Amino acid sequence: QVQLVQSGAEVKQPGSSVKVSCKAPGGTLSNYGFNWVRQAPGQGLEWMGGIIPISGTIDYAQKFQGRVTITADELTSTAYMELSSLGYEDTAIYYCARVSYAYYKPRYYSHYIDVWGKGTSVTVSS
Amino acid sequence: DIVMTQSPDSLAVSLGERATINCKSSQTLLYNSNNKNYLAWYQQKPGQPPKVLIYWASTRESGVPDRFSGSGSGTDFTLTINSLQAEDVAIYYCQQFYSKYVTFGQGTKVDIK
Repeated sequence: QVQLVQSGAEVKQPGSSVKVSCKAPGGTLSNYGFNWVRQAPGQGLEWMGGIIPISGTIDYAQKFQGRVTITADELTSTAYMELSSLGYEDTAIYYCARVSYAYYKPRYYSHYIDVWGKGTSVTVSS
Repeated sequence: DIVMTQSPDSLAVSLGERATINCKSSQTLLYNSNNKNYLAWYQQKPGQPPKVLIYWASTRESGVPDRFSGSGSGTDFTLTINSLQAEDVAIYYCQQFYSKYVTFGQGTKVDIK
């Protein structure tokens, strides 16, 4: 059973930034992409963005453009999501998720999510 | 963005009966070059991350019970749970991955009547 191991819970002040990590089994970043999805308390799933490391393709949801940065380190097989200028509305569980992908000329696109991390709780509080 | 709208928002079904969840997209999810619909269904139980049930609109993920089935094409899709079991109580989400901007439906809560 493939596991994505996410970093621990965070409590952040308004206006600060948070960086969440997601470690995958070695070699994963060569064959898969990663999406980041968040879920506010009692709410639905919200896609934030995704990365396909092998091609360097990164997409962000327009809602988070300019505030989110998704990166990946193939050496450590770890994906990261950093969200800045935190507000109370950013209190949520943040999930990393593995996706397969394919090339549709002229770029790569991610497919469905087949593995989810357990989630990282981020609480924004003063 | 492609808007995904699920119906109903919630439903209660007797054990052993059928549950049907609908998902409508604002644009087609059918890619003509390969005749695949870029839609997936996920199940989320309380306190757990989601789990994929169905992808390509109708392909069941390995290990998912065959009482779960997906159908539909283009803009209209359905998740059917035949013979509902107690462990199927969850929230179900559809998701499109046709666009580079992935979107989810708002979720449908399934309970036991």
